[in-house]
Order: sequence, then C-alpha cells, then structure tokens
Amino acid sequence: KAGVTQTPRYLIKTRGQQVTLSCSPISGHRSVSWYQQTPGQGLQFLFEYFSETQRNKGNFPGRFSGRQFSNSRSEMNVSTLELGDSALYLCASSLGPGTGFGANVLTFGAGSRLTVL
Amino acid sequence: GENVEQHPSTLSVQEGDSAVIKCTYSDSASNYFPWYKQELGKRPQLIIDIRSNVGEKKDQRIAVTLNKTAKHFSLHITETQPEDSAVYFCAARIFGNEKLTFGTGTRLTIIP
Repeated sequence: KAGVTQTPRYLIKTRGQQVTLSCSPISGHRSVSWYQQTPGQGLQFLFEYFSETQRNKGNFPGRFSGRQFSNSRSEMNVSTLELGDSALYLCASSLGPGTGFGANVLTFGAGSRLTVL
Repeated sequence: GENVEQHPSTLSVQEGDSAVIKCTYSDSASNYFPWYKQELGKRPQLIIDIRSNVGEKKDQRIAVTLNKTAKHFSLHITETQPEDSAVYFCAARIFGNEKLTFGTGTRLTIIP
C-alpha cells in the first residue's frame, strides 16, 4: 500500500510569489490534513478536508488556502509569500470521521520543504 | 481551542535507562492522544496512541499513561537504545474532529 505522497519535496521561492503543494493520500483515505512545521513553532494545524469540504481551519492568514479533489488528493496554496512562510509543510491522511470511537490514525507524508528568499 | 504543553524540551538519557516525557492538555473533550516520533530529516511516525477510555497502554519498550482527571499523559520508554534518539511529539484530538493539536516536542538523546 503506497503511503502519503507529497510533491514537490523541495522548492525555493522569492517573497511575493505563490506556491502550490500537492498531497496524494493513502488509497481509501478520505481525510487530508495539512500542518506547518517550523523549528520555533513546532507542528501547527493549517486545515483539514474531507469529501472535498474544508471541515477545520487553523489560525493562519487567508494567504493559506487549500482544496480537495474528488479522488481525495489535496492541494494547498500560499500566495504572496513571506520570509516567515519558510517551513516544512506536512500532509497527513486518515480514513475520516464516523468510524466507531472516532479516532483515526494520521499518517504523514515526507513533507514539502519551502524556502522563501 | 485545545492547548497541549510538553516537557521537557530536551532530554538526555544513558543507554539502557528509562525516559519519560510528559504532556498536559486543556480541553476535557479531547479523547485521543497519539505520540509521534520524528527522526532527523524524516516524517513524524506514530509510535503509540491511547484513547480516553483506557488508562495505560504498552507496546514492548514503550508505554503511555493517561490521567483524565489531571488532564495529562506521559510517554515512557524503557531500556533505551541509540535508535530511540529523535524528537517526540505528543498530541491531543477532540472526539469527531480530525485536527491534532501537538505539543512543542522533546528532543531525546540516548548517550551510548
């Protein structure tokens, strides 16, 4: 079973540009979450999608957006990049809500490391 | 919203000794508490989790305990080995919500 796949793995952008990151979940997983990881702030929740709908959103500015497609693949977009957006962006997938006790294991991808110059 | 505090931020342990990492959470509605291990340059990987209807769970050298009254949970690693060196994150999730709130991480170093 293939794991969570994120592309690209590394990218360098300049301030003001925008970036799109992609995440393909584990087959059968319908929930995709995105996290930002930085040395200073740890793992911060960005948003979560299930059945093409954003169900949860973290405390990030509107420059951060995402979407999910009918095949559960997800993309996140960051517009007007700032130096502080440099981070490892991690995608995680799970089966989704409504499965018994309600707690599903999140499996993370390898991440997309974004550097903003 | 949920807030998770994790201590200590760094921990050095002699090989063979035990390591304990503690986390506290704020929202009593949280009912799922996973622990992730992240080795340098790699993705976080789930090592153990516990649900609120259980007080303790063990998996070989790793155990997690949960005190719902005090709202804290701990990771215990016994007979530590060099490959246990990594950053460990605790997390909490509210029932029915896929969002995980993470602690700030503990960098565990095993001294040979």
